[in-house]
Amino acid sequence: QSALTQPASVSGSPGQSITISCTGTSSDVGGYNYVSWYQQHPGKAPKLMIYEVSNRPSGVSNRFSGSKSGNTASLTISGLQAEDEADYYCSSYTSSSTPWVFGGGTKLTVL
Amino acid sequence: EVQLVESGGGLVKPGGSLRLSCAASGFTFSSYSMNWVRQAPGKGLEWVSSISSSSSYIYYADSVKGRFTISRDNAKNSLYLQMNSLRAEDTAVYYCARLGSVTGHAFDIWGQGTMVTVSS
Repeated sequence: QSALTQPASVSGSPGQSITISCTGTSSDVGGYNYVSWYQQHPGKAPKLMIYEVSNRPSGVSNRFSGSKSGNTASLTISGLQAEDEADYYCSSYTSSSTPWVFGGGTKLTVL
Repeated sequence: EVQLVESGGGLVKPGGSLRLSCAASGFTFSSYSMNWVRQAPGKGLEWVSSISSSSSYIYYADSVKGRFTISRDNAKNSLYLQMNSLRAEDTAVYYCARLGSVTGHAFDIWGQGTMVTVSS
């Protein structure tokens, strides 16, 4: 099972909005509404930010939102803040024998 | 407080074995599927293995199939990963992660990770 495709890096200024894409296939992203997004600061464990494409866990800022179109999911962060600088990973349930797959990760830099 | 704490990492020679443990607290461990996810130094996340709440369903990534064995002891609130025939490419931080109930197929709780280094 190949990893989902994410851009290696994105950047934005404080207060701006950015979008990170996550491209898979009809066997994963396109086939299920089980896309999730994780934030990881250096040296820390990942943190769930979005589940089932567009749902936020309790405690996650509403500046984070998710969507999906076809085989591509997206994470949008609005009103960028310095604390948002981190690595972001998407993940999807898949129909293969290995049920979960992650994207390669995107490094977000807040300028 | 809901918590996962991994242990058992360390330095091991190629071909060697290691057993990782993950102690769960603050939730009903026996009700959740559990997973191992790893991250090689400077690299992305890689899902490794999953076990259902009653151990009825077990899955492995192709990269570890036949070498790693996942198990759990619900009486001890613990998850394990037995790693045999270790290779240099298994060097990574290993996280245990809970598959959420409300959050569908998402990993909602993560441990702090334990480092495994495979080197001669």
